[in-house]
Amino acid sequence: DTGVSQDPRHKITKRGQNVTFRCDPISEHNRLYWYRQTLGQGPEFLTYFQNEAQLEKSRLLSDRFSAERPKGSFSTLEIQRTEQGDSAMYLCASSDSGEGYGYTFGSGTRLTVV
Amino acid sequence: KNEVEQSPQNLTAQEGEFITINCSYSVGISALHWLQQHPGGGIVSLFMLSSGKKKHGRLIATINIQEKHSSLHITASHPRDSAVYICAVRSPDSNYQLIWGAGTKLIIKP
Repeated sequence: DTGVSQDPRHKITKRGQNVTFRCDPISEHNRLYWYRQTLGQGPEFLTYFQNEAQLEKSRLLSDRFSAERPKGSFSTLEIQRTEQGDSAMYLCASSDSGEGYGYTFGSGTRLTVV
Repeated sequence: KNEVEQSPQNLTAQEGEFITINCSYSVGISALHWLQQHPGGGIVSLFMLSSGKKKHGRLIATINIQEKHSSLHITASHPRDSAVYICAVRSPDSNYQLIWGAGTKLIIKP
């Protein structure tokens, strides 16, 4: 396990289409986070899972966004009816719940809505 | 006023110089992270601190909890150190969310 993997790396979609991203965290990590980053800005927290439970969801996450982590391993983030404002880098991170609390980030999925 | 403030916003230095990036925060924290982001790249976690000092290669991070201040130092800087360095803190009230600084864009010239 070499780190957090995200797929795809890039996604271009037409406005109104649905998209789904996948994140595979480090296998020992029970915590998984989704962030969104737009150009020139710091990452914005979207949602957090501990194992399969979604424990926190940002107000930024509208009803068009849904995230799952069905078996407490990989996670998916789906955006329905994409809008141009959804264009951003979507970052996934994982951590364990031990003393380390260090985050490991994936390389991100860059979404462009045209 | 932002809860996490970094300085400087931009820093250009010559190869070999000693670099210091500062982070001040106004909230109580359980931990502070230093992260690195290369242009177009993902975010790499450099350090997580709750007290004292940590060193990894040419990178040193310190934190003063009483003064609510942390510094990231780079010794013998190299052009490959050019990146955005981000300070982020975790509130003791939330195990999930990081409060992010705006980042410091570092350029090291050969």
